[in-house]
Amino acid sequence: KQEVTQIPAALSVPEGENLVLNCSFTDSAIYNLQWFRQDPGKGLTSLLLIQSSQREQTSGRLNASLDKSSGRSTLYIAASQPGDSATYLCAVLGHAGGTSYGKLTFGQGTILTVHP
Amino acid sequence: ETGVTQSPTHLIKTRGQQVTLRCSSQSGHNTVSWYQQALGQGPQFIFQYYREEENGRGNFPPRFSGLQFPNYSSELNVNALELDDSALYLCASSLRASVGTGELFFGEGSRLTVL
Repeated sequence: KQEVTQIPAALSVPEGENLVLNCSFTDSAIYNLQWFRQDPGKGLTSLLLIQSSQREQTSGRLNASLDKSSGRSTLYIAASQPGDSATYLCAVLGHAGGTSYGKLTFGQGTILTVHP
Repeated sequence: ETGVTQSPTHLIKTRGQQVTLRCSSQSGHNTVSWYQQALGQGPQFIFQYYREEENGRGNFPPRFSGLQFPNYSSELNVNALELDDSALYLCASSLRASVGTGELFFGEGSRLTVL
């Protein structure tokens, strides 16, 4: 059974800091890994998707890496801003059983607060 | 290109009642998945629909059921509601073009409160 863990559970930093969010998963048989952002009471916004054959993806101030063999991913946020405050969720896409396409298994998220 | 839309956004029910949540998938997407997110937790996979058939299910009882229509929209039905069913229900759509490479796009969710 796939399990995804995110560390830390919460993080509070001053504006401008570079920061790293960590994600680990127990089963390396994944199709891809996605990082999402969730604002309070809202849905999920996809930030980055890394295919299982890739090592990293970048979008603006965000960089995500994937080490499938060790079951780890990191999300690096450069020059953090108050608008980055949200919950960040890591999810891996794996088998959902039978002939199904796949299901996402999520971590519990990291609550990020960036204060001015 | 329209995104994933869900309705209703909020609703309140009492124990024992039944609820239907609706989802319109993103244009061109043929696969719909449903997730339950309890407060302070990550989303949990309920089930997935492809070609109008259930195509994978998580650890949820049979009182959670669904439908997918020819236009790829979907419904989630929950019977005999329990207090623990209170959660944000998220719908995600994707394109089953090839196994495993698809990105999932989520709607804003339906917040269900069971009293």
